[in-house]
Amino acid sequence: EAGVTQSPTHLIKTRGQQVTLRCSPISGHTSVYWYQQALGLGLQFLLWYDEGEERNRGNFPPRFSGRQFPNYSSELNVNALELEDSARYLCASSWRAGSGNQPQHFGDGTRLSIL
Amino acid sequence: KNEVEQSPQNLTAQEGEFITINCSYSVGISALHWLQQHPGGGIVSLFMLSSGKKKHGRLIATINIQEKHSSLHITASHPRDSAVYICAVWNTDKLIFGTGTRLQVFP
Repeated sequence: EAGVTQSPTHLIKTRGQQVTLRCSPISGHTSVYWYQQALGLGLQFLLWYDEGEERNRGNFPPRFSGRQFPNYSSELNVNALELEDSARYLCASSWRAGSGNQPQHFGDGTRLSIL
Repeated sequence: KNEVEQSPQNLTAQEGEFITINCSYSVGISALHWLQQHPGGGIVSLFMLSSGKKKHGRLIATINIQEKHSSLHITASHPRDSAVYICAVWNTDKLIFGTGTRLQVFP
């Protein structure tokens, strides 16, 4: 069974640019989650998609957005990049998590560096 | 104060030692997750529990809902157990993470 795949693995951008990160969940999983892990900081919840709908978003500005496609893959878009957006962005997938009672399977992440 | 607190932050052990990592939380939860993050950054889900105790190989996880506390135990620790262990709780439709416990096991 293929795991969660993310692309690209590493990306370098400059302030003000826009970036799109991609995630393919495990086959059969309908929920996709996005997390930010900044250097020296813990994991922070960004977004949760399920069945094509945004179910919840974390405490991030609106320039962080995303979507989920009919095949359950997902994109995370970040506009007007700022230096503090430098982080690893992790995607995870699970079966539908009505009460968080499903284990999440993580991808290897995309390391985003802002110059 | 963080909603999810882990202790210790750093832990060093000799191979074969029994390891305990603690997690306390201050919010209502429907599930608690233990995750393992290796030096390369990959994250693996170890346990998800909402009551009682679970065991997988040398790993044991327990939770006390009344005391809002969970423990992760590693028996007969091995250098390959060296990683960051992260506690996370499901609250208001999202995971809230602890800051992690960095474990180093020396031969």
